Amino acid sequence: KQEVTQIPAALSVPEGENLVLNCSFTDSAIYNLQWFRQDPGKGLTSLLLIQSSQREQTSGRLNASLDKSSGRSTLYIAASQPGDSATYLCAVEADSSYKLIFGSGTRLLVRP
Amino acid sequence: NAGVTQTPKFQVLKTGQSMTLQCAQDMNHEYMSWYRQDPGMGLRLIHYSVGAGITDQGEVPNGYNVSRSTTEDFPLRLLSAAPSQTSVYFCASSPSYGRQLSQETQYFGPGTRLLVL
Repeated sequence: KQEVTQIPAALSVPEGENLVLNCSFTDSAIYNLQWFRQDPGKGLTSLLLIQSSQREQTSGRLNASLDKSSGRSTLYIAASQPGDSATYLCAVEADSSYKLIFGSGTRLLVRP
Repeated sequence: NAGVTQTPKFQVLKTGQSMTLQCAQDMNHEYMSWYRQDPGMGLRLIHYSVGAGITDQGEVPNGYNVSRSTTEDFPLRLLSAAPSQTSVYFCASSPSYGRQLSQETQYFGPGTRLLVL
């Protein structure tokens, strides 16, 4: 059974720091991996989607990498800002079925 | 487009009551799904649908029913509410099923907070 783990559960950094969020999954046979952002009391917003054949995706200050063989993905946030404060969720899709398996998230606080 | 909308935003139920959580999307998406999110946990799939008239169970389907009579709507029914169903419920939709090499992701609604006493 696929399991997704995110470490750390919470992270507090001063503004301007570069930071890395980690996601690991137990079954390397995935279709894609996605990173989502969730603001308190809100729904999820997709940040980056990496297909199984890809190694990384970039959007602005965000870069996500995927290493299927080791079952790991990282989300790199450059020059963090207070507006980046949110919970970041990693999810894998086992096959082309749209069924996502989520990690429990990393709660990020960027201090001014 | 309004995207994915969910009603109500918040609901309090007594044990044993039934209710329907509404979800609608105006993007003509084929795929729709329901997840629940409990404190300290990620989202878990309850039920999903790949098109009108087609539904299937996800990871935690017990105590919930769904139907998909139209492309736009995908209601989630709680048959007899239990305190264990206290959670935040999210509906999601996606534009196609069985896509290949697409960057399309799932679009999530704002959620319904449910408290069962």
